Amino acid sequence: GAVVSQHPSRVICKSGTSVKIECRSLDFQATTMFWYRQFPKQSLMLMATSNEGSKATYEQGVEKDKFLINHASLTLSTLTVTSAHPEDSSFYICSALGQGMTDTQYFGPGTRLTVL
Amino acid sequence: TQLLEQSPQFLSIQEGENLTVYCNSSSVFSSLQWYRQEPGEGPVLLVTVVTGGEVKKLKRLTFQFGDARKDSSLHITAAQPGDTGLYLCAGYGSGNTGKLIFGQGTTLQVKP
Repeated sequence: GAVVSQHPSRVICKSGTSVKIECRSLDFQATTMFWYRQFPKQSLMLMATSNEGSKATYEQGVEKDKFLINHASLTLSTLTVTSAHPEDSSFYICSALGQGMTDTQYFGPGTRLTVL
Repeated sequence: TQLLEQSPQFLSIQEGENLTVYCNSSSVFSSLQWYRQEPGEGPVLLVTVVTGGEVKKLKRLTFQFGDARKDSSLHITAAQPGDTGLYLCAGYGSGNTGKLIFGQGTTLQVKP
């Protein structure tokens, strides 16, 4: 099956610093990747859609200057939380949609971000 | 706007009991997916239902897709503590964007 990895799995940082989270499709090429945010015992909230080689499309209410997304290759998308604050603490999950793989998104294991 | 209403949002039952989780919408979906997520991990796809009226079984889990493709249900028979987790239904929105629309999720706790 298709595998998506995320790195790091957990990160703790100080307020005001920036944190980069990587999302990789390990055995397939992903034309589109999605970034979600999830609070405890709640559903996934889509933040943005990332297409390889083009600018990300952000959902309403998501600050594009705060959550920088780069999809430089068909197997890697990165999410950078800039000038992180405690309210940015959350579980961030990516998913990938492969070329020719219709109707199936493969999810990464998530990254727990804690901002002190 | 397409929405998926999932209920109940929280469920705590004893081992051996049966339960049903519902996922409803006023919109038609081409398919619906069910995921299970454990704390600190990403969602894992359980099943995709595509045809109206379709029933799929996965061991003790039975998934149904409504005839009109606007609703789905997940029934668990003789729940076990290992079934504990967050269950999510999701469907693809209109417009072929690839975006998944998620229900609110159902947190299930099965007590031994």
